[in-house]
Amino acid sequence: QVQLVESGGGVVQPGRSLRLSCAASGFTFSSYAMHWVRQAPGKGLEWVAVISFDAINKYYADSVKGRFTISRDNSKNTLYLQMNTLRAEDTAVYYCARGIAAAGELIDYWGQGTLVTVSS
Amino acid sequence: EIVMTQSPATLSVSPGERATLSCRASQSVNSNLAWYQQKPGQAPRLLIYGASARATGIPARFSGSGSGTEFTLTISSLQSEDFAVYYCQQYNNWPPLTFGGGTKVEIK
Repeated sequence: QVQLVESGGGVVQPGRSLRLSCAASGFTFSSYAMHWVRQAPGKGLEWVAVISFDAINKYYADSVKGRFTISRDNSKNTLYLQMNTLRAEDTAVYYCARGIAAAGELIDYWGQGTLVTVSS
Repeated sequence: EIVMTQSPATLSVSPGERATLSCRASQSVNSNLAWYQQKPGQAPRLLIYGASARATGIPARFSGSGSGTEFTLTISSLQSEDFAVYYCQQYNNWPPLTFGGGTKVEIK
């Protein structure tokens, strides 16, 4: 069965960096686009970034462009999100998710999420 | 960016009753519309894609309809496990993928 397990969350000061990881299993990771989606406490879902199956194409939400970098290691079945210059408004649960359909635009499976808290 | 608007924000329904949730897009998304269910402390789960196709393992009491800018999720007879927050999301014009603000279905 599809499993996505995020890690790397924690408490970090504003302006600092953090890297999230997502370990995938139960499917051929290298064949799928992958997304990061976040959810601030008590709020709705916000799409953050996507990476194509071959890591050639990457797209970001305007709110994180230039600060966050999505990457993947298909040999390790792992997705990453490097988050730099963190702000209080980046505080959220970060979910990794699998994308299907033509360009990976439909999200079908989600991990359980990892909480990132940006606070001094 | 396509803005997704869900209504109502909260829906109070008795078990066994029908629930009707609405989602509106700021411009046409054709049928590229998904619905997700999220329970407290859990990840979202895909219910409906292509506006009306049920995802694997989703009970037949969940149905989706609509196209263009107006969409509906109907739960024909609410079970206790259906009380949750429901999000619509368009994947027609992206990036970015955009979600509605959610509808919380609570016990009346």
